[in-house]
Amino acid sequence: EVQLVESGGDLVQPGGSLRLSCAASGFTFSDHPMHWVRQAPGKGLESVSAISGNGVTTYYANSVKGRFTISRDNSKNTLYLQMGSLRVEDMAMYYCATEVVPGTNDHWGQGTLVTVSS
Amino acid sequence: DVVMTQSPLSLPVTLGQPASISCRSSQGLVFSDGNTYLNWFHQRPGQSPRLLIYKVSDRGSGVPDRFSGSGSGTDFTLKISRVEAEDVGVYYCMQGTHWPWTFGQGTKVEIK
Repeated sequence: EVQLVESGGDLVQPGGSLRLSCAASGFTFSDHPMHWVRQAPGKGLESVSAISGNGVTTYYANSVKGRFTISRDNSKNTLYLQMGSLRVEDMAMYYCATEVVPGTNDHWGQGTLVTVSS
Repeated sequence: DVVMTQSPLSLPVTLGQPASISCRSSQGLVFSDGNTYLNWFHQRPGQSPRLLIYKVSDRGSGVPDRFSGSGSGTDFTLKISRVEAEDVGVYYCMQGTHWPWTFGQGTKVEIK
């Protein structure tokens, strides 16, 4: 059974930094791309970033490019999102999601909440 | 970015009756491998999204066969043949062809 457990969400001031983690199990982690998707309170879903199975290729939404960095440690089956220069509009639930089935996010974690406020 | 437009945004339904949600993309969704990566998700209040349909019409693992997807080009549809109480929540279409992957605004389904 695929399991994704996010952690690292917290209250942070505007301009601050945070690192999110996602521990994965139940599938061959290194074989598949992984994604971060966020959802602002009461709003819809937004793809934030993605990374290839070997970690070489990364993708970012324009809204986070230059401020967020996605990475993975395949020896630890863990996905990361380093978030910097945080803004109020980055406040959201952040989900990690698999791409075991190409072209979709077939499994999702329970999310970790990032609050940006002074 | 590809804009995904859903309609309606709110859908009151009667238990046991069919329901349909439309999704239109601002450009074609055929990938270089020939596949069309159009997906549908269901999100219940307080829960993570769950994959219902991928590649236009393939059902996700454990998804009941009352859910079906269809469409091509830029126009796609999710149909529920007979709505059950557990189907309430928000439904999102999402394209996985062009980065950034983009979602529709969501359609809130509630029981009349």
